[in-house]
Amino acid sequence: VQLVESGGGVVQPGGSLRLSCAASGFTFSYYDMHWVRQAPGKGLEWVAFIQSDGSKTNYVQSVKGRFTISRDNSKNTLYLQMNTLGPEDAAVYYCAKVRNPTIPCEYWGPGTLVTVSS
Amino acid sequence: QTVVTQEPSLTVSPGGTVTLTCASSTGAVTSANYPNWFQQKPGQAPRALIFSATNKHSWTPARFSGSLLGGKAVLTLSHVQPEDEAEYYCLLYYVSAQSWVFGGGTKLTVL
Repeated sequence: VQLVESGGGVVQPGGSLRLSCAASGFTFSYYDMHWVRQAPGKGLEWVAFIQSDGSKTNYVQSVKGRFTISRDNSKNTLYLQMNTLGPEDAAVYYCAKVRNPTIPCEYWGPGTLVTVSS
Repeated sequence: QTVVTQEPSLTVSPGGTVTLTCASSTGAVTSANYPNWFQQKPGQAPRALIFSATNKHSWTPARFSGSLLGGKAVLTLSHVQPEDEAEYYCLLYYVSAQSWVFGGGTKLTVL
């Protein structure tokens, strides 16, 4: 199993960014996925969930209406579209593979850093 | 807003035993919260250790064990090794909100 995030960088407050997570080593379309973030020097925060076929999603309250999780099973890629970014969104963003409903984050990618700064 | 609480920091001697706890602001932690535990070392992604409160992943060292006790999820490290120095996070599921919440983490120092 390999997960590799990309798309992080520096964005101005109010800006947008799309993160990607390239998956390999398993049948991506079979598994649900999560995004988790970690602000510098802080703890982990669950951000979003998507079901294997993309039909069901859920978000932490603080990003609802601003972030959209999606996936392209033909490309084995998970996405996180982030809009109206604020300083509170600055973090390392990790994608994580679900094994089953009781194992939400079996494998993790190395993360990609999002910096929100003018 | 649901809060999951862990000890901010703990210190243990090499070879000793230490217990980390995970409590929920909504009440007792149960198997329905699917308690998971993760280890994170500086500069690394988290690594899964325990799922469903008590079950180990294939890569989890035998000295790590999980349980439910006194309304909390518990992670016990026995025969602690220097390489166990890390941050430990619990993760709980809340079916009513269909969402997951991490605890604030416990920084474990082996000294």
